[in-house]
Formats: sequence, C-alpha cells, structure tokens
Amino acid sequence: GDSVTQMEGPVTLSEEAFLTINCTYTATGYPSLFWYVQYPGEGLQLLLKATKADDKGSNKGFEATYRKETTSFHLEKGSVQVSDSAVYFCALSDPGSSNTGKLIFGQGTTLQVKP
Amino acid sequence: KAGVTQTPRYLIKTRGQQVTLSCSPISGHRSVSWYQQTPGQGLQFLFEYFSETQRNKGNFPGRFSGRQFSNSRSEMNVSTLELGDSALYLCASSLGGEGYTFGSGTRLTVV
Repeated sequence: GDSVTQMEGPVTLSEEAFLTINCTYTATGYPSLFWYVQYPGEGLQLLLKATKADDKGSNKGFEATYRKETTSFHLEKGSVQVSDSAVYFCALSDPGSSNTGKLIFGQGTTLQVKP
Repeated sequence: KAGVTQTPRYLIKTRGQQVTLSCSPISGHRSVSWYQQTPGQGLQFLFEYFSETQRNKGNFPGRFSGRQFSNSRSEMNVSTLELGDSALYLCASSLGGEGYTFGSGTRLTVV
C-alpha cells in the first residue's frame, strides 16, 4: 500500500543554518504531496503542497519539489529561526477507491533550532 | 473565515465509559476526516465522511464510530474506552479532497 518515510529526528540546528528534511513515498497512483507543521499543543498546519511532478511548493521560506523519478518531496529552508522549532510531517493524498479522503503521514521529524 | 473547530479541547474519561467528540468544518467543506495521533503510532486515519456518508474507514475496531450531519458537522464516538485510546484526535475538512485543514484537536485521556 501507499506509504511515506521521513528521516528520523530530532534534528538540531543553530539559527540561520540550512535545513533539509528528507521525505520519500510509495504510491500506486498519482498522489498529491504535502508538508504539515505541528507546534506544541496544537493541530496540524498546512505548510506547502504540490499536486504533480516537478511542482514546487513554497511558503514562509520553506520549499519542496515533487520528484517523481526519485519519489521524493524533501523539505528545505535556507535559514532557520528559533520559531521554526516544531514537528514536521510529510503526507500524501492518493485519491482512489481505497484512499478517498485519506492522508497518509510519515512519522514526523522534530526540529529544534537553537539561538 | 472560521477554521475547523473541535470540541472539547480536553477530556478525561474512565475506562469503560464512552465519549463523543465534535468537529465543525470550514463553511462549504463537505468532507470531514478523523485521525488519531499517539506518540507510538503517529497519525492514523480513522474515517472520512462526505455528504453524510462514510466513504472510507481505517483499521480501527468497531468501538470507533462516526457520523456526519446535513450541515457537514461531524461527531466521532468511542465506546468502552480503553487506556490505549488516550490520544490527540484530529479532525480535518476539505472542499474536494485537496488541501485538508485541521482543527486544534481534542486531547482525550483515559484513566
């Protein structure tokens, strides 16, 4: 079945460092891909998305490119801030009779940014 | 535009009891999905409703059930609570299957 694999955390960076969180997926159809962020005690917030191959999603300095050839959707940011400390989830939506209305999530990667 | 509203935010129940959680989607959104989040299992899909019909269901026991009303509001019910049901329950709404918006969740603690 469909699945998402994220790099294990926690990831600890100094402020202004470059961030990469790896995400790879397995899907039978043509999925849409998402990155969500969760701050302590809160729900999930959509960070960015891409709906087809080679699309680049971007928001708040974060970027991710849908790479069908490597089945990847890695999250990047050029210069992280302390306020970016959170848990990041990669997810896919693969509409089909068995996957309607369903997001499949990776296990989440905790990012801690130190001043 | 109001977001997805989940009530209550926190809940403490005793083993064996039942609980009902509520989710009000974004106005105009007809799809509502539910997820369970635990430290050990991560985010797991419970079920999805669209226009009052359950379209998809995850691998949870029959103690977990849900419904959707004509105004798209949804409820989920867990009967005969077990300690392992302690989790953050998240609801998400969608207009047409893309761009799911999540609520803040209901934190359920079973003692």
